[in-house]
Amino acid sequence: RKEVEQDPGPFNVPEGATVAFNCTYSNSASQSFFWYRQDCRKEPKLLMSVYSSGNEDGRFTAQLNRASQYISLLIRDSKLSDSATYLCVVNVIYNFNKFYFGSGTKLNVKP
Amino acid sequence: DAGITQSPRYKITETGRQVTLMCHQTWSHSYMFWYRQDLGHGLRLIYYSAAADITDKGEVPDGYVVSRSKTENFPLTLESATRSQTSVYFCASSEPRGLVATYNEQFFGPGTRLTVL
Repeated sequence: RKEVEQDPGPFNVPEGATVAFNCTYSNSASQSFFWYRQDCRKEPKLLMSVYSSGNEDGRFTAQLNRASQYISLLIRDSKLSDSATYLCVVNVIYNFNKFYFGSGTKLNVKP
Repeated sequence: DAGITQSPRYKITETGRQVTLMCHQTWSHSYMFWYRQDLGHGLRLIYYSAAADITDKGEVPDGYVVSRSKTENFPLTLESATRSQTSVYFCASSEPRGLVATYNEQFFGPGTRLTVL
């Protein structure tokens, strides 16, 4: 079983749409959680960290459910520039600070 | 603020040659990582380091060697390059902080695109 699982998509949505991505992780000892964005095999860039209380950054909202080992990312009012691959990342500090990456969810925002 | 840099950005080499990919970070982060990314495989951990002179294998270490004599540098060497090592290589760093390492983002370099002919 993979440490982190994501729906690969692609999600094809029109501009202005709201889209949600989900991710599950297998290690209950996971400590930190993140969403990264990756454009066309460029380096992954941190989009936002995910905290237990949930957090919002502009059009982006992230939620964490530790009981269900589930992380979500909501993008409101999608822009063309949001087209990218979104990586769900889980950190297990007690396992030599390893980071576990989902395979990514591809988002295509259409005009 | 240079952050984390990698060199070269592009490299073409031949099977059997030794190749070294460089990674340098200016944040004094304790942890550094090497990943490779191939189409259909996502990011796979090659080696990581918890501090200078402390390194360990990741998921796909065969054919690679690392060293970390200084905190800021983490070179990756392909001892005898093979075509299967054609990939994009990313270096990353992190510094756990806060209670139970709540804040522990990983930052990536721009990547090295390596082609082995």
